[in-house]
Amino acid sequence: DAKTTQPTSMDCAEGRAANLPCNHSTISGNEYVYWYRQIHSQGPQYIIHGLKNNETNEMASLIITEDRKSSTLILPHATLRDTAVYYCIVRGRARNSGYALNFGKGTSLLVTP
Amino acid sequence: NAGVTQTPKFQVLKTGQSMTLQCAQDMNHEYMSWYRQDPGMGLRLIHYSVGAGITDQGEVPNGYNVSRSTTEDFPLRLLSAAPSQTSVYFCASSWGIGEKLFFGSGTQLSVL
Repeated sequence: DAKTTQPTSMDCAEGRAANLPCNHSTISGNEYVYWYRQIHSQGPQYIIHGLKNNETNEMASLIITEDRKSSTLILPHATLRDTAVYYCIVRGRARNSGYALNFGKGTSLLVTP
Repeated sequence: NAGVTQTPKFQVLKTGQSMTLQCAQDMNHEYMSWYRQDPGMGLRLIHYSVGAGITDQGEVPNGYNVSRSTTEDFPLRLLSAAPSQTSVYFCASSWGIGEKLFFGSGTQLSVL
């Protein structure tokens, strides 16, 4: 699986958009970008994933650059409950991609009042 | 739906004791897995299963045993607990490889 690089921590004011970047310059053509988050002491929660097109769901938007070497997770109106560690994960979906997800250390997002 | 249910939430063991962490899912997912999370280490895969009767090792399988007799249940057994197994354990399930994972709420285990 491609290696990802995320900032260690970020702050965001409540009500503003939170833009979390992720670099994955070695991503291969069949690898997807996944985002999960983990609120303190809870199990990780799936947010969104994509291959090359931008994706949006009820939680967030995922913007993937045209060369696919980086992506940005956007929480459009951050709330205090969005304070969590956000993990960007790149992996394939074929059986030979293995089963483990490399969660890395993620970005610790603090949403402030 | 209950999703993924883990029990117990907290457990304290003495070195050498054995115990089983329970995990059950009600989503008819084929894939189930166990992760451990240690401070500064992220989540690491212990064991996983791609269906009833089929299990395989992950990154850190030593000291743990699993079985999958039904689609719903995937227990994790600690054979002889060691202080190095003090961690938070998460069970997860999904429809398949690359599908989104649903995680349980975790079991915090301390081995003294």
